[in-house]
Amino acid sequence: AQRVTQPEKLLSVFKGAPVELKCNYSYSGSPELFWYVQYSRQRLQLLLRHISRESIKGFTADLNKGETSFHLKKPFAQEEDSAMYYCALLPSNQAGTALIFGKGTTLSVSS
Amino acid sequence: KAGVTQTPRYLIKTRGQQVTLSCSPISGHRSVSWYQQTPGQGLQFLFEYFSETQRNKGNFPGRFSGRQFSNSRSEMNVSTLELGDSALYLCASSSGSHYSYEQYFGPGTRLTVT
Repeated sequence: AQRVTQPEKLLSVFKGAPVELKCNYSYSGSPELFWYVQYSRQRLQLLLRHISRESIKGFTADLNKGETSFHLKKPFAQEEDSAMYYCALLPSNQAGTALIFGKGTTLSVSS
Repeated sequence: KAGVTQTPRYLIKTRGQQVTLSCSPISGHRSVSWYQQTPGQGLQFLFEYFSETQRNKGNFPGRFSGRQFSNSRSEMNVSTLELGDSALYLCASSSGSHYSYEQYFGPGTRLTVT
């Protein structure tokens, strides 16, 4: 079955501390993985995609096919990073853009 | 470019009633996907429409249906509402290409079933 698991509902860190939001997936094919973010009172928006290998707002994520993981990392958290983060999988064996989301992790960064 | 718009933003309905939600995608986008967001289940895919055809469907009962018009606007309908249908319904638009990956989300319609 295709599934995305985010084991932490809430992650609380202090400003300047490293952040790692965990994401594991279950998919037999070649996955396309994304991180979406929802800031308070804003819309859900794309943060990054594994294929692009970009660093957005200081965040990076590496696809580890051996561990079936796609953890989101940032070396130094900022208060403005506080938001809800969703990991999502796009099955490559189907046309279309139907995303499978994890249940999300709330990141809280305090000073 | 105007973003994805959803109407209405809030709805209160009674069990057994039906409801229609509307989504206007970004101009030029041909794909509209619908998701249900609840505290317990998170974001779950309902269905996707591309060029007026349903291209993908999630694991929801037949009470949930949708359609897309020639101008790419989409509606979803829920018949015989149940309390468990209370949720935030999000639509997302994209160009529709599997490789043009970014989906742009609307603000959602908050449906409350009493």
